[in-house]
Amino acid sequence: EDQVTQSPEALRLQEGESSSLNCSYTVSGLRGLFWYRQDPGKGPEFLFTLYSAGEEKEKERLKATLTKKESFLHITAPKPEDSATYLCAVQAYNTDKLIFGTGTRLQVFP
Amino acid sequence: DADVTQTPRNRITKTGKRIMLECSQTKGHDRMYWYRQDPGLGLRLIYYSFDVKDINKGEISDGYSVSRQAQAKFSLSLESAIPNQTALYFCATSDRGRTDTQYFGPGTRLTVL
Repeated sequence: EDQVTQSPEALRLQEGESSSLNCSYTVSGLRGLFWYRQDPGKGPEFLFTLYSAGEEKEKERLKATLTKKESFLHITAPKPEDSATYLCAVQAYNTDKLIFGTGTRLQVFP
Repeated sequence: DADVTQTPRNRITKTGKRIMLECSQTKGHDRMYWYRQDPGLGLRLIYYSFDVKDINKGEISDGYSVSRQAQAKFSLSLESAIPNQTALYFCATSDRGRTDTQYFGPGTRLTVL
């Protein structure tokens, strides 16, 4: 069964304190792995799609990496405006649907 | 203007009432989706549609129905609302490509009393 597990559930960082969020997945042939950002009460905002192990993508202070079993979202020198829930999702080759994790809630304090 | 819009943004209703949530998109995508989000459970797929004549059930379709009125419009109905349908509801769209990257609307907060 396709599955996505995100850790930690919650993360508190001081402004400027770099860290990583983890997304572990089990899927029968990975077609793509997605990262989204979600602010409270709002819709998920697309960040990245990763397709194969070894791939990396960057956007401002965020960098996403992918291995055959997990993905990391690295946050470098975070700012309070990076506070949000970060969602990971996977799509397998044999399906048109995305499987979402339950997210990591990130809080960055000044 | 937002690419994916949802109406209403907030709705409070009573048990047994019929409710319709609407979604419109200007992205030109063929595929549209309805999800609900509950604390601790993540996003769960209710229904999805790949074109006007193709509608499919997701993992939690009981108690819900949908209508794809046009390529750009996809509505979700709760035939007889019950309190455990209180949740955040999101519409999403995707295009056919290497993957089905989905783009979400702002959501509807539904409360069933």
